[in-house]
Amino acid sequence: GAVVSQHPSWVICKSGTSVKIECRSLDFQATTMFWYRQFPKQSLMLMATSNEGSKATYEQGVEKDKFLINHASLTLSTLTVTSAHPEDSSFYICSARTQGIREQYFGPGTRLTVT
Amino acid sequence: AQSVTQPDIHITVSEGASLELRCNYSYGATPYLFWYVQSPGQGLQLLLKYFSGDTLVQGIKGFEAEFKRSQSSFNLRKPSVHWSDAAEYFCAVGILTSGTYKYIFGTGTRLKVLA
Repeated sequence: GAVVSQHPSWVICKSGTSVKIECRSLDFQATTMFWYRQFPKQSLMLMATSNEGSKATYEQGVEKDKFLINHASLTLSTLTVTSAHPEDSSFYICSARTQGIREQYFGPGTRLTVT
Repeated sequence: AQSVTQPDIHITVSEGASLELRCNYSYGATPYLFWYVQSPGQGLQLLLKYFSGDTLVQGIKGFEAEFKRSQSSFNLRKPSVHWSDAAEYFCAVGILTSGTYKYIFGTGTRLKVLA
């Protein structure tokens, strides 16, 4: 149980375009979802937290207009990287938890390469 | 401010040798504690977790960790390392901040196993 999926697992896009990454909880209701960013050989940095039906809360230094997060249902959250630039290339990992449970369940990650 | 420290960036051990990875945290209360392992290009796999109770916790793949409140530590141990254990290991603490339980990750320890 407690499976989280991400799609796509790897995406390449051209500079200036937008790309959407999906995060789904497959067997539980994700009342809260989290998006992390991981640069090569570095740790995970929390980008934002979203509760279903509410606007996402972004961590300090994360550009809200560049990283659009939508958590419209209890099983799906999306991260859209707008006007992508090569410096946005990174490994993006989502996690989810359900109400009353403090443990987060992680997706397998999405590698974004901007050319 | 809350923080997680993994003092060892790289550790090299011989196969069959014992292993200890260090993790220290700074938080005003007892946090929830986690150890994750990440292979190159992959997502996170939970090794073990501590919420309360017995301070010595057993995990998967023969790993264990001990919570020491007095030292604010949660060190990961394995009595005999296998070559397949070579990976990146992250310690994480779950804390309550701004009304939400979030994770703070340590910087990671990269384990190399010599045959």
